[in-house]
Amino acid sequence: DAGVIQSPRHEVTEMGQEVTLRCKPISGHNSLFWYRQTMMRGLELLIYFNNNVPIDDSGMPEDRFSAKMPNASFSTLKIQPSEPRDSAVYFCASSLSAGANVLTFGAGSRLTVL
Amino acid sequence: SQQGEEDPQALSIQEGENATMNCSYKTSINNLQWYRQNSGRGLVHLILIRSNEREKHSGRLRVTLDTSKKSSSLLITASRAADTASYFCATDATNDYKLSFGAGTTVTVRA
Repeated sequence: DAGVIQSPRHEVTEMGQEVTLRCKPISGHNSLFWYRQTMMRGLELLIYFNNNVPIDDSGMPEDRFSAKMPNASFSTLKIQPSEPRDSAVYFCASSLSAGANVLTFGAGSRLTVL
Repeated sequence: SQQGEEDPQALSIQEGENATMNCSYKTSINNLQWYRQNSGRGLVHLILIRSNEREKHSGRLRVTLDTSKKSSSLLITASRAADTASYFCATDATNDYKLSFGAGTTVTVRA
């Protein structure tokens, strides 16, 4: 398996633009997590899905952020409109199930909002 | 919010020496995990210790867990330059499957 695949690896955009980050989890993994990593706040859980259903989105910073998982092999995290304070590395991770939660992380998407 | 807090924040050692880092957490947990992150990369799972376990080994890694003190330690023996990375503890609170990560310990192994 190629592991958790994220795209793009790097994105530079201007304030106000829409940003879409993509994630393909490991085949057979039923849970998917989106994390954000910054120097100031460390790793923050934004949202997680179990069997494609959002279970907890309490970490989503505000309405500008939305996440979807239309099927078991694909998820998106969208920021609209983007702001400079959204600059961070966004990680997607998957696990076999929410209960057996050893996470496999993707390489991350580094977002810079100018 | 971050459940786990690592100590120290940074550690510099000579190759061949042992590295020890600690993690403290606040609430009752199901499991505690340790992850490694190399610069510019994603996190990689190292080891999981369950709340009813006290010690676990994996290669050069030794993890202890003291639930009465709500703390864990990670020992890397005979360190190598390739062990240079940030190390994070992660906990999932009882009845909550969300993994919360600490701020991490940055380990530098000097050749």
